[in-house]
Amino acid sequence: QKEVEQDPGPLSVPEGAIVSLNCTYSNSAFQYFMWYRQYSRKGPELLMYTYSSGNKEDGRFTAQVDKSSKYISLFIRDSQPSDSATYLCAMTGNQFYFGTGTSLTVIP
Amino acid sequence: NAGVTQTPKFRILKIGQSMTLQCTQDMNHNYMYWYRQDPGMGLKLIYYSVGAGITDKGEVPNGYNVSRSTTEDFPLRLELAAPSQTSVYFCASSYSRSYNEQFFGPGTRLTVL
Repeated sequence: QKEVEQDPGPLSVPEGAIVSLNCTYSNSAFQYFMWYRQYSRKGPELLMYTYSSGNKEDGRFTAQVDKSSKYISLFIRDSQPSDSATYLCAMTGNQFYFGTGTSLTVIP
Repeated sequence: NAGVTQTPKFRILKIGQSMTLQCTQDMNHNYMYWYRQDPGMGLKLIYYSVGAGITDKGEVPNGYNVSRSTTEDFPLRLELAAPSQTSVYFCASSYSRSYNEQFFGPGTRLTVL
């Protein structure tokens, strides 16, 4: 069983839609949960991070962690074409574990 | 503050050739990493280093070698390149092994023919 599972998509939505990206994990020791955004032909960059269960909001982005279900989500409100990218979840215990990434396209 | 820089950006190798991918960071991070990223496969850790002179294998180390003589530099060596090593290679650094953001370089796109 993989440490982190992420639906690869691709996901295509119209501009203005609400986007939900999800990851599941197997290790209950994970404590820090992150979302990285990777534009085409670029390196990943940190978008948001949360510690333990709960929600964290940053502008149009909300990161949600449910440790009891071992499930994390990233919500994007009022999605924009500039949000088109691959989104990778990541989490840490004693080392980093990355999801495989979900490719998102927001259509104008 | 340039962050993490990688050279070259692109390279085409013939089977059996060797090359070194360069990585430099100017954030004084102790931890540095090399990943490869294949379509639909996510990031696979090749090697990592916890400080100058200390390196360790990741998930997919075969066919690669690393060294870390300074805090800033972490080169990745490919010996006897094979088509299976065609990939995008990312170098990253962080302040600590876990619980901290990893900063990624722009990547090196390598093709082995």
